[in-house]
Amino acid sequence: DIQMTQSPSTLSASVGDRVTITCRASQRISSWLAWYQQKPGKAPKLLISKASSLESGVPSRFSGSGSGTEFTLTISSLQPDDFGTYYCQQYNSYSTFGQGTKVEMK
Amino acid sequence: QVQLQESGPGLVKPSETLSLTCTVSGGSLSSYYWSWIRQPPGEGLEWIGYVSYSGSTNYNPSLKSRVTISVDTSKRQFSLRLNSVTAADTAVYYCARHDVYGLRFDLWGRGTLVTVSS
Repeated sequence: DIQMTQSPSTLSASVGDRVTITCRASQRISSWLAWYQQKPGKAPKLLISKASSLESGVPSRFSGSGSGTEFTLTISSLQPDDFGTYYCQQYNSYSTFGQGTKVEMK
Repeated sequence: QVQLQESGPGLVKPSETLSLTCTVSGGSLSSYYWSWIRQPPGEGLEWIGYVSYSGSTNYNPSLKSRVTISVDTSKRQFSLRLNSVTAADTAVYYCARHDVYGLRFDLWGRGTLVTVSS
């Protein structure tokens, strides 16, 4: 099994802040990594796939980087609609998700 | 616009079988793969498995012995059966779609809560 570890688990930030979330894979997954945003009571929404490819309709303030075992999701200027929980997911071998990072208002 | 909708019992007794169906509206099942994913209350996401349009399947090794996913193209539906459930199987169950380029899920249903309790 490939384990995915996100940090931090919780992040307190203000509107306008630059936010970075890190995801580490227990073994190399090339660039087979996706990022999702989930709001309470809602299904996750795909933001980024192939580590850095922004999905259609996702604001350009979201960006992803990394390959191998280390990945990051960056929000360049946090907006009110960005508060929620973010998950990374590897799909190099089956699929496993990180435990999530909750982005909350400071 | 393609939409997914989960349906099935919200309460299942321990040791019994959980059965859910996902209906695909507004589009075809072909060219895509169809997955089930679950999320226990307050916890993270776990991929359960997928079925293709042609009926081929792939399951999470940790659940493989208890899971069956099938497709009914005539009804535009795919289904999940999970045997011998326990309280640990209590979760919101989502159906989702991915394409041939990998298990990145670009379309999700709203999810349905299934509680395992006597």
